[in-house]
Amino acid sequence: QKEVEQNSGPLSVPEGAIASLNCTYSDRGSQSFFWYRQYSGKSPELIMFIYSNGDKEDGRFTAQLNKASQYVSLLIRDSQPSDSATYLCAVKQGGSEKLVFGKGTKLTVNP
Amino acid sequence: DAEITQSPRHKITETGRQVTLACHQTWNHNNMFWYRQDLGHGLRLIHYSYGVQDTNKGEVSDGYSVSRSNTEDLPLTLESAASSQTSVYFCASSQGEWVTDTQYFGPGTRLTVL
Repeated sequence: QKEVEQNSGPLSVPEGAIASLNCTYSDRGSQSFFWYRQYSGKSPELIMFIYSNGDKEDGRFTAQLNKASQYVSLLIRDSQPSDSATYLCAVKQGGSEKLVFGKGTKLTVNP
Repeated sequence: DAEITQSPRHKITETGRQVTLACHQTWNHNNMFWYRQDLGHGLRLIHYSYGVQDTNKGEVSDGYSVSRSNTEDLPLTLESAASSQTSVYFCASSQGEWVTDTQYFGPGTRLTVL
C-alpha cells in the first residue's frame, strides 16, 4: 500500500511566525511532490511542487525534499491569517500520472 | 481562460437512483481524474483517464463508472446510489507530458444520498 502521511493537526501559529508542515511517503519510486492548499468548502489549489532534493522557494513558501528520508515539508514564512487552510501533500509515483494524497494538515494562523 | 467545471454543484438524490456528475475542462488536457473527499479519508481516487476511450479504476471504484468519448469531458456515473456515496466529488485534469505536471481541480460537487 503506497501511503502518504501528514500530521493531522490542527496546527496553530501566531501571525508572523513560521508554519512548518510535514509529509512522509512510502514509495521510494516517487518522483515528484506537490503541496496543495484547500480552504474550507473549496477545491484544492496548487501552491508548489518539488522534484529534486533540497529546497525550493516561492515567495513566502519553501518546499523541502529529502528522498533518502522519504520526507517532504512546506515552510510558510511570515504566516498570515489568510494562510489558514488545510494543506495537502501529494506524491506522484514514477511512471504514473496519478497522485496519492495525504489526509491533510489543518493550519490556523491567529491574528 | 481555460478552466475545469463541474455540474451540478449540489445534488440530493435517493438510494437506488442513477446519478451522473459532469466534468468539463477546456485545458485540452490528456488526463482526467475523479476523486471523492470525506472527513478522515482525504482525497481518494475513483476513476481516471489518460485519453479518449481510456478509463481506469482507482482505489474506490466500486459502484462508479466513467466513459471518455472526447478530450473535454469525463462524466462520473453512480449506477445505484448508496448512502455511503454521500461525499464531495472533485474532478481534476493534467496534461501529462512532464513528471511535474500539475493536476488542476474543479470546484466540486456535493452529493447527498438519502
